[in-house]
Amino acid sequence: EVQLVESGGGLVQPGGSLRLSCAASGFTFSSDGMNWVRQAPGKGLEWVSYIGSSSSVVYYADSVKGRFTISRDNAKNSLYLQMNSLRGEDTAVYYCARLRPIEDWGQGTLVTVSS
Amino acid sequence: DIQMTQSPSSLSASVGDRVTITCRASQDINNYLAWFQQKPGKAPKSLIYAASSLQGGVPSKFSGSGSGTDFTLTISSLQPEDFATYYCQQYYSYPYTFGQGTKLEIK
Repeated sequence: EVQLVESGGGLVQPGGSLRLSCAASGFTFSSDGMNWVRQAPGKGLEWVSYIGSSSSVVYYADSVKGRFTISRDNAKNSLYLQMNSLRGEDTAVYYCARLRPIEDWGQGTLVTVSS
Repeated sequence: DIQMTQSPSSLSASVGDRVTITCRASQDINNYLAWFQQKPGKAPKSLIYAASSLQGGVPSKFSGSGSGTDFTLTISSLQPEDFATYYCQQYYSYPYTFGQGTKLEIK
């Protein structure tokens, strides 16, 4: 069974940083591209970033480009999202999601950016 | 960026009804279209990819169609567990944009 478990969310001040993690199991992590998708409170889904299986390909939404960095450690079956220069509009539940098109989702981790 | 527009934004229906949700892309995306279901407080669930192919374990009451710019999700014989918000997403080109969602409510 595929399992994706996000962690690292929390309350952070504007301008601060946070690193999200996603622990993957139940599939060959090193073979699959991975995504981060977020959802602001009461709003729709927003795709944030994608990384290919070998990290050679990465893409970002314009709203996070230059501030967020996606990475992965295939030896640890883990996906990461380093978030810098955080803004109020980054407040959201962040989901990691497997494959393109997305096939599996984690349960999400809440990031709140507020002073 | 490719814009995805869903209609309607909300929909009221009764148990047993058949409903159709539409998703329109701002440019040709071939069949690179996925549909997701999300219930309140839960993670999304993948339903359909390649416009009409069901993800594993998804019941055949869900069906998708379309190609190019116009797509539909049809749900037949609505059951209480089907009332949720549905999203389309194009994965033809980055950024992989979602529609704004369609909230399906019980009449």
